[in-house]
Amino acid sequence: DAGVIQSPRHEVTEMGQEVTLRCKPISGHNSLFWYRQTMMRGLELLIYFNNNVPIDDSGMPEDRFSAKMPNASFSTLKIQPSEPRDSAVYFCASSLIGPAYEQYFGPGTRLTVT
Amino acid sequence: AQTVTQSQPEMSVQEAETVTLSCTYDTSESDYYLFWYKQPPSRQMILVIRQEAYKQQNATENRFSVNFQKAAKSFSLKISDSQLGDAAMYFCAYRSPWGETSGSRLTFGEGTQLTVNP
Repeated sequence: DAGVIQSPRHEVTEMGQEVTLRCKPISGHNSLFWYRQTMMRGLELLIYFNNNVPIDDSGMPEDRFSAKMPNASFSTLKIQPSEPRDSAVYFCASSLIGPAYEQYFGPGTRLTVT
Repeated sequence: AQTVTQSQPEMSVQEAETVTLSCTYDTSESDYYLFWYKQPPSRQMILVIRQEAYKQQNATENRFSVNFQKAAKSFSLKISDSQLGDAAMYFCAYRSPWGETSGSRLTFGEGTQLTVNP
């Protein structure tokens, strides 16, 4: 059974460029999360969806960040325009809805903005 | 807002020995969930163990066990018979109960880097 799939695994881009990170959750999971990991701020939740609907986007840093989930098997996190301070590892996780259920994490996308 | 604190940035243990990683949290809720995640150099986040706050019995998973002290808001992880493969960053995490707008949010501590010496 495939786990959470993220692409690309590594992304290097120049400041000002648009970046799109992709995530395919585990089949059957109906809750999807985007996290960001940095040395300064640790692991922080950016946004999560239940049944493809955004529930809490209070962690999204600013308007340059946007996330979509057009269907149950695909989500994107877009940064436009990108800045050097956006450099981080971005994780996608999925689970069944409910706090008792384990969140399964993808391998992460390491983003470097120069 | 809930906060999670891991006061030990780094820990080390000899192979086959036992080590305990500390975690404290702050919350006004009475029912919640606590987790320990492991992040090896591959950076994959792996669930190690979880504890429901309404359960008094401490969770165990093979060589991993927790000491959950609800009144003290403490949730430590004990690793017995440490193995080289246990070397990783360990994160403690808190999750609110269902029904809250942040019910599915995981709040992570800063992490503890564990080194296992052969």
